Amino acid sequence: AQSVTQLGSHVSVSEGALVLLRCNYSSSVPPYLFWYVQYPNQGLQLLLKYTSAATLVKGINGFEAEFKKSETSFHLTKPSAHMSDAAEYFCAVRRRSRGSTLGRLYFGRGTQLTVWP
Amino acid sequence: DTEVTQTPKHLVMGMTNKKSLKCEQHMGHRAMYWYKQKAKKPPELMFVYSYEKLSINESVPSRFSPECPNSSLLNLHLHALQPEDSALYLCASSQEVWGREFTDTQYFGPGTRLTVL
Repeated sequence: AQSVTQLGSHVSVSEGALVLLRCNYSSSVPPYLFWYVQYPNQGLQLLLKYTSAATLVKGINGFEAEFKKSETSFHLTKPSAHMSDAAEYFCAVRRRSRGSTLGRLYFGRGTQLTVWP
Repeated sequence: DTEVTQTPKHLVMGMTNKKSLKCEQHMGHRAMYWYKQKAKKPPELMFVYSYEKLSINESVPSRFSPECPNSSLLNLHLHALQPEDSALYLCASSQEVWGREFTDTQYFGPGTRLTVL
């Protein structure tokens, strides 16, 4: 079954530093992968998604992620962190639900990003 | 417009109360979802409606009763809840175009913060 693992429940960086949030997937078929961000007391917002069109995916707010099949990874990066990036980040894979034709999201445990001034 | 709206923002209810959560989208999406999210955890899928029919029920207790009156509206009726049901309840929607079920983006609302006393 397809699932995602987010390594590191907490990541702290200084403002202006590189942000790297890790996500690995387990799958025997090409996955459909998503990164969502959740700011405090808000819903989830899509940052970017991989749908096999291109391995390097650019998202909103300067984030990007690279799909690496050899490493089964889809890590999220941003060259320079900003204070406003502090939030919870979820990696997710979309696959068919048991007993249904619908695709549904399966989330990783989340990574809390803290940005220090 | 990629907005999913949810009302109310906050809800406090006793264990004997009956209340309802409301979700609305006007993007023409044909799939709508209810998620439950506890603090510091990823969202957990509860129900999925596809073309106004209940497609997925993730073994949710009967004290939660979903309803999809039309393609734009999704309700969650609450009755005899327990304190452990206190959480952020998120609604989401997606297009669900046949053949694109796995790549369609799910758009999330801001959530309803529910407290059960």
